[in-house]
Amino acid sequence: EAGVTQFPSHSVIEKGQTVTLRCDPISGHDNLYWYRRVMGKEIKFLLHFVKESKQDESGMPNNRFLAERTGGTYSTLKVQPAELEDSGVYFCASSSTTGRDTEAFFGQGTRLTVV
Amino acid sequence: GDSVTQMEGPVTLSEEAFLTINCTYTATGYPSLFWYVQYPGEGLQLLLKATKADDKGSNKGFEATYRKETTSFHLEKGSVQVSDSAVYFCALDDYKLSFGAGTTVTVRA
Repeated sequence: EAGVTQFPSHSVIEKGQTVTLRCDPISGHDNLYWYRRVMGKEIKFLLHFVKESKQDESGMPNNRFLAERTGGTYSTLKVQPAELEDSGVYFCASSSTTGRDTEAFFGQGTRLTVV
Repeated sequence: GDSVTQMEGPVTLSEEAFLTINCTYTATGYPSLFWYVQYPGEGLQLLLKATKADDKGSNKGFEATYRKETTSFHLEKGSVQVSDSAVYFCALDDYKLSFGAGTTVTVRA
């Protein structure tokens, strides 16, 4: 069974450009999460989808970030326009259920560099 | 809000040395606690977890005990190998994961 897949693995863009990150969760997982690790600091929660609905988007830093999950399958995270401080590693995770004991399965991450 | 503080690295060890990475947490509820590991070139993987006080999680020779009285979940391994070189993240789950900053561990032969 395929794990969580993220595309691209690396992206280098100029400040002011747009970048779209994609995440394909494990098939059948209704829950999809985005996280971000900036400058070697802690990994921070961005948002949580249940199927196609945003359950919790409290971690989204500002309105330059837009996440979608059309049809409840894959998800995209668009950054427009990108700023230098957006550089970091963006992780996607999925799980079959929610709750305190639920194991989330993570992708390899997308390393975004804004220059 | 919930938060996790873990020992800063990097940590460099020789093979067969003892490894401990300290982790403390702040939470309003009773979260589950996790250690995730990221090996070079790979994604985050769950290493072990504990869901309530005094539980001990273990996997691949690593252990961590959920200590409610000290709000800690320290990771230990008695004899590390080169293959244990990775970044280790402590995390708590109170319906969404809160991570520490990660500790980079390098084990030299």
